[in-house]
Amino acid sequence: QQQVRQSPQSLTVWEGETAILNCSYEDSTFDYFPWYWQFPRESPALLIAIRPVSNKKEDGRFTIFFNKREKKLSLHITDSQPGDSATYFCAASHSSSNTNKVVFGTGTRLQVLP
Amino acid sequence: EAAVTQSPRNKVAVTGGKVTLSCNQTNNHNNMYWYRQDTGHGLRLIHYSYGAGSTEKGDIPDGYKASRPSQENFSLILELATPSQTSVYFCASGSTINNQAPLFGEGTRLSVL
Repeated sequence: QQQVRQSPQSLTVWEGETAILNCSYEDSTFDYFPWYWQFPRESPALLIAIRPVSNKKEDGRFTIFFNKREKKLSLHITDSQPGDSATYFCAASHSSSNTNKVVFGTGTRLQVLP
Repeated sequence: EAAVTQSPRNKVAVTGGKVTLSCNQTNNHNNMYWYRQDTGHGLRLIHYSYGAGSTEKGDIPDGYKASRPSQENFSLILELATPSQTSVYFCASGSTINNQAPLFGEGTRLSVL
């Protein structure tokens, strides 16, 4: 079964708008949540990550909001730019475990129109 | 400079043949991973390893074996390749010690005919 779920599958916003990408997970023991972005014909690259000790992580125009009780996260991209058009993956892992299994969601394809 | 290198970058194999995908990392990371990426399925974990000599099954291990002979190298082996294994395969390395999220290689595009 899918341990990490993402929605929507695809999202289109206009330049300057805020894009909101959602993620939820099953295993309450996950304690590290990296987000990746992937451009066509490239490999996934780390964008931003959060641990449950915080409910918010900000890096420039990218912010993760985390709700531990509901096992949900969201990635907010403010002032979206056409260069942000990519597929975004939410991932989850047990960072304190020696066997650091990392699982990914199915991704959200974001298109930012100029 | 941190790097994960995969070889080959492209591979065409025949059904029933053996395929070996190789991965080398120079990051001194203890963890390594093999994922496959297919449209609509995201990145699915096949096998992973937390150190030399260890291999662990991921979420879709059937039809695949893995080998971690050293800290730097992690191979994915398809003993009897099938057309359903046509995909893009990504290797990644990460560190439990520094809690560094996986760093991905450039991918291998495999076609099984």
